Amino acid sequence: GAVVSQHPSWVICKSGTSVKIECRSLDFQATTMFWYRQFPKQSLMLMATSNEGSKATYEQGVEKDKFLINHASLTLSTLTVTSAHPEDSSFYICSARPIRGTDTQYFGPGTRLTVL
Amino acid sequence: GDSVTQMEGPVTLSEEAFLTINCTYTATGYPSLFWYVQYPGEGLQLLLKATKADDKGSNKGFEATYRKETTSFHLEKGSVQVSDSAVYFCALSDRGSRLTFGEGTQLTVNP
Repeated sequence: GAVVSQHPSWVICKSGTSVKIECRSLDFQATTMFWYRQFPKQSLMLMATSNEGSKATYEQGVEKDKFLINHASLTLSTLTVTSAHPEDSSFYICSARPIRGTDTQYFGPGTRLTVL
Repeated sequence: GDSVTQMEGPVTLSEEAFLTINCTYTATGYPSLFWYVQYPGEGLQLLLKATKADDKGSNKGFEATYRKETTSFHLEKGSVQVSDSAVYFCALSDRGSRLTFGEGTQLTVNP
C-alpha cells in the first residue's frame, strides 16, 4: 500500500517550452501533496505544499508563476514548469500524505527533467 | 527552526560489517522521526519511523531508536549487504507538517 506514481519518469524539452509532471497516489487519498527538487548529490529542497482544492503554498525563493501547481483531486497533483530553461533541469520528486492518521509522506519515484 | 544533522559521508563498508549513521535533530515540539532510503535514480522510500520518545523503528534489519534526551535517531544495521548501497536521509516532521531532511549519507557496501 501507499504507492505514489509520477509521470513522466524522465523528459527532455527545448528551452522556452512548458512541461507538466503528474503525481498520483494510487491506493490512498491525499489531502496534501508536496513537491521537491533535488540537485545531484544533494538533499531534497521543498518547493511547495499543495492542498486539494486550494492554492499551493510556495517556499521562499520559489517562483509561483514559473512552477504552477494544481491539486485537482485527492489523488492527483500536477507541477508545470513554464518557459523552462536549462537551469530548471533537475530531479523533481513529489510526495503525498494520506488523509487519515499519519504524518508519514510517501514519495514518488521522481521525474528527471532536462532542458536543452 | 527545525533542523536535522547527519554524519557526513560517503561511508564505505565491506559486506557483513556493522553500520551506524548518526542523526541528530533540533525541533521546538515533539517531532516524528524518519529514515528514508534513495536508490540510484529513484525517489525516496520510507525505511522506518518513530513517533515518540523511546520508540524503536525497524525494517529490513535496520533499526533506529528515538532518543529525546540526546535528540538523536541513529540508524544501525548489524550486517550490511551490497544491496543496501544507497543514500540514506534522516528527517523529522513536527506536528504533521512539512518534512525537514538531513543532507543525506551515501553508503557503499563492497562485496
